[in-house]
Amino acid sequence: DAGVIQSPRHEVTEMGQEVTLRCKPISGHNSLFWYRQTMMRGLELLIYFNNNVPIDDSGMPEDRFSAKMPNASFSTLKIQPSEPRDSAVYFCASSLAPNGNTIYFGEGSWLTVV
Amino acid sequence: QKEVEQNSGPLSVPEGAIASLNCTYSDRGSQSFFWYRQYSGKSPELIMFIYSNGDKEDGRFTAQLNKASQYVSLLIRDSQPSDSATYLCAVNIGQTDKLIFGTGTRLQVFP
Repeated sequence: DAGVIQSPRHEVTEMGQEVTLRCKPISGHNSLFWYRQTMMRGLELLIYFNNNVPIDDSGMPEDRFSAKMPNASFSTLKIQPSEPRDSAVYFCASSLAPNGNTIYFGEGSWLTVV
Repeated sequence: QKEVEQNSGPLSVPEGAIASLNCTYSDRGSQSFFWYRQYSGKSPELIMFIYSNGDKEDGRFTAQLNKASQYVSLLIRDSQPSDSATYLCAVNIGQTDKLIFGTGTRLQVFP
């Protein structure tokens, strides 16, 4: 079975541009997580969904960030407008809830905003 | 206080030694605890999970959980240079699916 699939793997964009990151969770999983990883702050949970519904978005840094999950097999994380401080690796992960189940990570989207 | 805390390291151990990695957490209601390994430039991958107090062994890895002390650890026996990586402790917050990670401990195993 395919793992969590993320795209793009790498993106370099100019400050002010819109960035859209995409994720396809593992088939059958019903929870999806977006994390951001930087050297300074480590792996931070931005938002997670259960059965396509956002459950906790308290980690979303500000209004420039938004996430959607229109169906069980697709999610997007959008940054508009992007800023240099958004440069990080963004990981999508999925699991089969209820709580306590292992989450599996995609390979990450490496974002650089110049 | 951070929800999950780890010493950032690096922790350096010689090949063949036991590496001991530690983690503390703040939410007493947490039920599930995980150790992930992350090689440089790669995504985190699960090593072990533990739900009950005590020890859980899997090959060269042993996870230890003490809920009263809010402490979880990972022991790696017969450490190998290939074990050199960052080890991330993760905790479910309360009885939710919200999984919070520590900042990780970098382990270096030298020949």
